[in-house]
Amino acid sequence: QAGLTQPPSVSKGLRQTATLTCTGNNNNIGNEGAAWLQQHKGHPPKLLSYRSNNRPSGISERFSTSRSGNTASLTIVGLQPEDEADYYCSAWDSSLSVVLFGGGTKLTVL
Amino acid sequence: QVQLQESGPGLVQPSQTLSLTCTVSGGSINTDGYYCSWIRQPAGKGLEWIGRIYITGNTNYNPSLQSRVTISRDTSKNQFSLQLNSVTAADTAIYYCLMARGLNFDYWGQGALVTVSS
Repeated sequence: QAGLTQPPSVSKGLRQTATLTCTGNNNNIGNEGAAWLQQHKGHPPKLLSYRSNNRPSGISERFSTSRSGNTASLTIVGLQPEDEADYYCSAWDSSLSVVLFGGGTKLTVL
Repeated sequence: QVQLQESGPGLVQPSQTLSLTCTVSGGSINTDGYYCSWIRQPAGKGLEWIGRIYITGNTNYNPSLQSRVTISRDTSKNQFSLQLNSVTAADTAIYYCLMARGLNFDYWGQGALVTVSS
């Protein structure tokens, strides 16, 4: 089954910028883009962005997304301690008719 | 504000059926554009999409689970349900219900831990 690939971990310093990536193929990210979710330990995931950088109400402008071909990216500027969390990308796969998730990236803020 | 709450047994015996219900308040499961969905997460692992049902009754399931899973709706109770047959220890996870417009995962339940063990 096709999947979405995310790096397992990323570490950045306080107030730095982190860019997390998610790679799929033409049937998912390359076709309809990706959504991004943030999950703090012990809590349900929270939607950060869907499709083309649409942020739900209440999500900080420090979070932005982009896409280049089959790779989606989440950029977080001005890293804060509360940004330390697991981040998941998600996409609809039109050939499989399924929602896919990446394996998640653990972001550590040093 | 739309709220979702999962309910069901926290312990299921191997080979039996896992059954969970999601009760929605503050909104309707019949809202146009919204899918009622289930996602699970084993301890310390990532998210796995189980499937979804639309207001028309159409369903989509994860192919890896399709032979064992059924998602249904009860509009009179504003609830939707998950049934997973022939469970094994690998089905032990936190199960989340949610309402989503495509990839816009708008509303989530707090999650229900289901352990498969004898």
